[in-house]
Amino acid sequence: ILNVEQSPQSLHVQEGDSTNFTCSFPSSNFYALHWYRWETAKSPEALFVMTLNGDEKKKGRISATLNTKEGYSYLYIKGSQPEDSATYLCAFASTGNQFYFGTGTSLTVIP
Amino acid sequence: GAGVSQTPSNKVTEKGKYVELRCDPISGHTALYWYRQSLGQGPEFLIYFQGTGAADDSGLPNDRFFAVRPEGSVSTLKIQRTERGDSAVYLCASSLGTGSHSGELFFGEGSRLTVL
Repeated sequence: ILNVEQSPQSLHVQEGDSTNFTCSFPSSNFYALHWYRWETAKSPEALFVMTLNGDEKKKGRISATLNTKEGYSYLYIKGSQPEDSATYLCAFASTGNQFYFGTGTSLTVIP
Repeated sequence: GAGVSQTPSNKVTEKGKYVELRCDPISGHTALYWYRQSLGQGPEFLIYFQGTGAADDSGLPNDRFFAVRPEGSVSTLKIQRTERGDSAVYLCASSLGTGSHSGELFFGEGSRLTVL
């Protein structure tokens, strides 16, 4: 079992604040790194799929970067809104056909 | 529906009973995954199907757990002689699954299993 770590475990921010969290993963046998948002009582939904070292992806106020050599990815949220409150999961895809998930970062945006 | 469907959404059973959890993936998705999420943990890999065959079942915790996908679409996760430690949310996900893991996973809403 590969170790995928996310930090912080939980985060409370004020509406309008910008925030970021980290996903650390093994730097060997890398295939892809996924970010998912999981809102309460819903299914996890994909935010980004990243495959190349140095990848930067953006969707609205949310962006992500990838460093496969050192084994980390950052997720950034600019100007947090209450609807951003969710658990953010990263998943490391290895060449062995598995996805390994981190434990998630639980974000609460306080209005 | 267009998404991944899981049934039942909630299942309460007694220790020692047999349970089946069903996953209906998105039409045309050849890859199907089962994950288990316990409180405070991330989703834990159980098994991965490519088509009808279990390409990787290394995550199944013991021989009480078994999964099938006989026609390459719907999958059933079967748990025999349930134990209290099996209580968790069981998530199913599907993807186009051409062997490339750059494709995103589409998740169902999960089946919450409670073993009393």
